[in-house]
Amino acid sequence: AQSVSQHNHHVILSEAASLELGCNYSYGGTVNLFWYVQYPGQHLQLLLKYFSGDPLVKGIKGFEAEFIKSKFSFNLRKPSVQWSDTAEYFCAVNANNNNDMRFGAGTRLTVKP
Amino acid sequence: SAVISQKPSRDICQRGTSLTIQCQVDSQVTMMFWYRQQPGQSLTLIATANQGSEATYESGFVIDKFPISRPNLTFSTLTVSNMSPEDSSIYLCSVIWGDYGYTFGSGTRLTVV
Repeated sequence: AQSVSQHNHHVILSEAASLELGCNYSYGGTVNLFWYVQYPGQHLQLLLKYFSGDPLVKGIKGFEAEFIKSKFSFNLRKPSVQWSDTAEYFCAVNANNNNDMRFGAGTRLTVKP
Repeated sequence: SAVISQKPSRDICQRGTSLTIQCQVDSQVTMMFWYRQQPGQSLTLIATANQGSEATYESGFVIDKFPISRPNLTFSTLTVSNMSPEDSSIYLCSVIWGDYGYTFGSGTRLTVV
């Protein structure tokens, strides 16, 4: 089964700093890739997804992610973070021949005003 | 995307008792998924529920502990049986919804005392 690794457990940034959160997966076949965000006290929301096509995916709120197949990676980026980006970010993988989703451990982002 | 309603949103239960969590979707879906998010951790898939058949459980989860019903294409229940403090967690149901990927309910926060 596929698995997902998020290497950063807690990231602390100042406003306007650039963000990159790492995500690596292990699965040899075709995958669908997702980033979810969970704001404090709220439920999971889809940030962006990759199914096929352009490996650079743009999502909501200025986030983007790049799928690098050779590195089995799907890192999340934002050029300039805001205080309101403080949240937990989860990378997730769904193999094309499965219907279940596997989540990474999550990365807590704290943005200082 | 699909709208998912979960009830109850939270509960505090005595150890040894059982709690049934309801998940209602505003559209018909083939598969529904139940996840657990333990404090400070990521999401773990408990089981996949198809309408008209028994749920498929992931390693570490058994039907006696987490019985699931799926009586129709818009509804499912998850029961947490014979609860212990280790079952304190957020339980979420999820469905696949077209290009949105997976949509999650707002979750049920369970505390076992």
